[in-house]
Amino acid sequence: KAGVTQTPRYLIKTRGQQVTLSCSPISGHRSVSWYQQTPGQGLQFLFEYFSETQRNKGNFPGRFSGRQFSNSRSEMNVSTLELGDSALYLCASASGAGGNQPQHFGDGTRLSIL
Amino acid sequence: GENVEQHPSTLSVQEGDSAVIKCTYSDSASNYFPWYKQELGKGPQLIIDIRSNVGEKKDQRIAVTLNKTAKHFSLHITETQPEDSAVYFCAASGISGTYKYIFGTGTRLKVLA
Repeated sequence: KAGVTQTPRYLIKTRGQQVTLSCSPISGHRSVSWYQQTPGQGLQFLFEYFSETQRNKGNFPGRFSGRQFSNSRSEMNVSTLELGDSALYLCASASGAGGNQPQHFGDGTRLSIL
Repeated sequence: GENVEQHPSTLSVQEGDSAVIKCTYSDSASNYFPWYKQELGKGPQLIIDIRSNVGEKKDQRIAVTLNKTAKHFSLHITETQPEDSAVYFCAASGISGTYKYIFGTGTRLKVLA
C-alpha cells in the first residue's frame, strides 16, 4: 500500500506570494490533517478534514486554508506569504472517524520564503 | 489549554543501553497516545501507540507505559542500536472524535557506537 504522498517536496517563494500544497492520503483513509513543523514551535496542528468537511482548526491566521476533495486528496493554501511561514508542512492521514486511530505522515513539503 | 511536555530534549546513550523518554499531558479527555520517530529529511513515522484503557504495550525492543492518574506516558527502548538515533515525538489525542494531535517538543536520541 502506498503511503501518504506530498507534493512538491521543496518550494521557494517570496513574501506576498501564495502557495498551494498537495497531499494524497493512504488509499481508503478519509481523514487528512495538516501540521506545520518549525524548530522553534515544533509540530503544530493546522486543520483536519474528514469526508470533505473541516472538522477542526488550529490557531493559525485565516491566510492558511485547506480543502479536501471527494477522493480524499487534500490541498493546503497559504496566501500573502510571510517570512515566518518558512517551515516543513506535513500531511497525515488516518482511517476511521473516531480520532483514536494511528495517523500516518508523509515526508512533507519544505517551504522557504525569501 | 492543551499541552504535552516532553523530557529530555536530548539524550545520549551507549549502544546496547536503554533509553527512556517521558511525556506529561494536560487534557484528561485524551485517550490515544502515539509515539513517532523522525529521521532527517523524513516525516514522522509511527513506532508504537497506546490507548487509555491499557497500561502498557510492548513491541520487540520498544515499550510504552501509561499512567492515566498522573497523566504520564513514557517510551522505553531497550538494547539501543545506532539506527535508533533520531528525534522522537510523543503526542496526545486532542478533541474527541477528531485527529487533532497535541505533540511534545521532541527528544533527540543519539546512540553512541
